[in-house]
Amino acid sequence: SAVISQKPSRDICQRGTSLTIQCQVDSQVTMMFWYRQQPGQSLTLIATANQGSEATYESGFVIDKFPISRPNLTFSTLTVSNMSPEDSSIYLCSVDLNTEAFFGQGTRLTVV
Amino acid sequence: RKEVEQDPGPFNVPEGATVAFNCTYSNSASQSFFWYRQDCRKEPKLLMSVYSSGNEDGRFTAQLNRASQYISLLIRDSKLSDSATYLCVVKHYKLSFGAGTTVTVRA
Repeated sequence: SAVISQKPSRDICQRGTSLTIQCQVDSQVTMMFWYRQQPGQSLTLIATANQGSEATYESGFVIDKFPISRPNLTFSTLTVSNMSPEDSSIYLCSVDLNTEAFFGQGTRLTVV
Repeated sequence: RKEVEQDPGPFNVPEGATVAFNCTYSNSASQSFFWYRQDCRKEPKLLMSVYSSGNEDGRFTAQLNRASQYISLLIRDSKLSDSATYLCVVKHYKLSFGAGTTVTVRA
């Protein structure tokens, strides 16, 4: 199994500012995934973070808005830039181990 | 069309009851199928993988129908602790999540 420590667990931010979310995994993994879960909706993949290369973004998500870092095989950050109230959501990081997906505890973001 | 669609519920059942619900998926090339459980304000956790032959894990039974592209989950002898949102998850290179089916088991 994998243990993922994600922080912050929640934050309330002013519009126009940026928030960086961190995820630390207790084992080395090639790929880390970043998801967004809006209230009452499914998890939507934002991007896949690869160590040593640029992140791969899904349709509708761009690097300028959601820059990602992946400095090593156990750590990644997602930044939500120039926030607006529409960015209020839960953000989750995830890894796959032996076909099972493990998730961080999530970051509940409210933009006011 | 969404990649994975689920009946959102809620399913409100008494303890001991049986509850079943389905999800459908759009990509016929999907390779793997799962049910995840998500408790309120918590992260999703794997409940069980779903195999073509159907599989059981205690009180939980999952079925996969590739021809009709649907997956089902049945919970027997419901417990209060089964109250949660159940996410249908389908994998085709990446994971696609349904919006979840909410189950509430009442005493």
